[in-house]
Amino acid sequence: GNSVTQMEGPVTLSEEAFLTINCTYTATGYPSLFWYVQYPGEGLQLLLKATKADDKGSNKGFEATYRKETTSFHLEKGSVQVSDSAVYFCALSDPTAAGNKLTFGGGTRVLVKP
Amino acid sequence: GAGVSQSPSNKVTEKGKDVELRCDPISGHTALYWYRQSLGQGLEFLIYFQGNSAPDKSGLPSDRFSAERTGGSVSTLTIQRTQQEDSAVYLCASSLSGGGGTDTQYFGPGTRLTVL
Repeated sequence: GNSVTQMEGPVTLSEEAFLTINCTYTATGYPSLFWYVQYPGEGLQLLLKATKADDKGSNKGFEATYRKETTSFHLEKGSVQVSDSAVYFCALSDPTAAGNKLTFGGGTRVLVKP
Repeated sequence: GAGVSQSPSNKVTEKGKDVELRCDPISGHTALYWYRQSLGQGLEFLIYFQGNSAPDKSGLPSDRFSAERTGGSVSTLTIQRTQQEDSAVYLCASSLSGGGGTDTQYFGPGTRLTVL
């Protein structure tokens, strides 16, 4: 079956540091890949997505590139802010399945200190 | 515009009681999903609706769990004879069509269920 593995946290950084969160997946076929973010006290929201190999998703200074050869979708940001403190979830959906159900990784908590 | 709403935001119940959780999706979204977020299991898919039908119920953990959707809109997740392991945050999401693998899902704030 499909699965997503992402690095465990917490990840603690200083403001303006570089952030990478690793995500790898196992899937049949060609899934779409997503990063969702959950800010403290808020619901899950889509951060970025990529739907085919070599696509780059980007939003709010975050980027992730769909790498089919390494089955990865690592999230990066060049200079984090305190407001980026959140839990980040990597997810995939199987376009061949009924509906668009998401398979999530375990989440990575990021704490950015001033 | 209005996002996905869920009620109640918090629910505390006693073991063995039944609970109903409600989801109001974004207007016009035909696809609706229920997920569960718990400490031990992470974020898990429960059920998917397309309109009022549920083509994928594969994530429902036991026959104590059921869900329905009416009028292509509101959905109710019912847990009968609740157990302590049912304690979790139940998330609802909706998307425009649910097809193609690219549709964005919009999540509600969740219902935190605590079973004593």
